[in-house]
Amino acid sequence: EPEVTQTPSHQVTQMGQEVILRCVPISNHLYFYWYRQILGQKVEFLVSFYNNEISEKSEIFDDQFSVERPDGSNFTLKIRSTKLEDSAMYFCASRESWGADTQYFGPGTRLTVL
Amino acid sequence: GNSVTQMEGPVTLSEEAFLTINCTYTATGYPSLFWYVQYPGEGLQLLLKATKADDKGSNKGFEATYRKETTSFHLEKGSVQVSDSAVYFCALSDQGSARQLTFGSGTQLTVLP
Repeated sequence: EPEVTQTPSHQVTQMGQEVILRCVPISNHLYFYWYRQILGQKVEFLVSFYNNEISEKSEIFDDQFSVERPDGSNFTLKIRSTKLEDSAMYFCASRESWGADTQYFGPGTRLTVL
Repeated sequence: GNSVTQMEGPVTLSEEAFLTINCTYTATGYPSLFWYVQYPGEGLQLLLKATKADDKGSNKGFEATYRKETTSFHLEKGSVQVSDSAVYFCALSDQGSARQLTFGSGTQLTVLP
């Protein structure tokens, strides 16, 4: 069964450093998402992406964040200058089409900012 | 804006007990409703969904009915197993083009043998 994959599973970085989290969505899906879950808190929407551009973003997704689909398979989230409060689990998700309502999630990347 | 309110946890039950996890929502229009499950150390997995009023979603013995009159989507299972121990998230997506998910706070379920 097709699945969303994410790498790395765990990333440790120093405050102020740039990180890139990578995702490979399900191959025929058209809509892509990033969510985050700070430890012990609810899962929060960050950004949605369709047709090579951002379609929606939350207040969390400020200028320090960017997303990109550099080729036909990868979908990346970049944090330009990490802060301690960026420590969280980051989930990528994909959805097949406009008419589909189910998002399929990857296993997540745990980001630890020291 | 959209919001999901979920029963506070944690919930601890004995094996074969009846489970209810309450979920209510606030949204404009006609959202789709979901229950996702997160097993220890894993990502989010779709458990069940319902896309319109009075629909019942079901999977693995779990059920939830979309109640528009009470804006609720309570999760139930008649007889839980130890393997059901996980965190359960209620979520909704609206009918906009992005359809981003709004999640509840999650309910930790522990089932004891």
